[in-house]
Amino acid sequence: AQKITQTQPGMFVQEKEAVTLDCTYDTSDPSYGLFWYKQPSSGEMIFLIYQGSYDQQNATEGRYSLNFQKARKSANLVISASQLGDSAMYFCAMREGYSGAGSYQLTFGKGTKLSVIP
Amino acid sequence: GAVVSQHPSRVICKSGTSVKIECRSLDFQATTMFWYRQFPKKSLMLMATSNEGSKATYEQGVEKDKFLINHASLTLSTLTVTSAHPEDSSFYICSARDGDYIHRQETQYFGPGTRLLVL
Repeated sequence: AQKITQTQPGMFVQEKEAVTLDCTYDTSDPSYGLFWYKQPSSGEMIFLIYQGSYDQQNATEGRYSLNFQKARKSANLVISASQLGDSAMYFCAMREGYSGAGSYQLTFGKGTKLSVIP
Repeated sequence: GAVVSQHPSRVICKSGTSVKIECRSLDFQATTMFWYRQFPKKSLMLMATSNEGSKATYEQGVEKDKFLINHASLTLSTLTVTSAHPEDSSFYICSARDGDYIHRQETQYFGPGTRLLVL
């Protein structure tokens, strides 16, 4: 079974509109972290946002917010006020286990290609 | 955020030659670095986990003699593709773990990647 599932291969959004990129995860570890990365066509992986499994509040970083629904095991990324520069691949990733205990490895989803339309 | 550099950004080589890729954490110490491989329009595939001062841990199916990893210092890890063949052509990207024990974030910061083309 896939640990990270991104069901949207591609998404379109109008400039200045908000968009939600879906991510569901599967783990039996009570301690885990969820990440979103952006990969533009240049190839670099840019860290966007992090959510810990014990965090009470949804993470926010500027125009990025993470809609964390623990019971449903979903960690959707919300991008508000989309910009043309947001066009890129977006990857959801999970790390299981806390530092010093479990693995630090990330498991990535297959990604969602976001295209922002002027 | 933390900065990770990777060199070279692009390399073209002949079949049978070896290629070394460097990954450096510029403003933090990285006890753990990771090496990934990415095929076009695909997700990242973890190749190995590199811990400073110890042998790398390779994922299943990754040939350790083919992909030599050295993590000699807290800021440098190298991946050497030995006797490269056309099927080794890919995008190789490293990441370094910035352990934030206060916030338990353990974010991985990625280098810009290296595009390898083996002729």
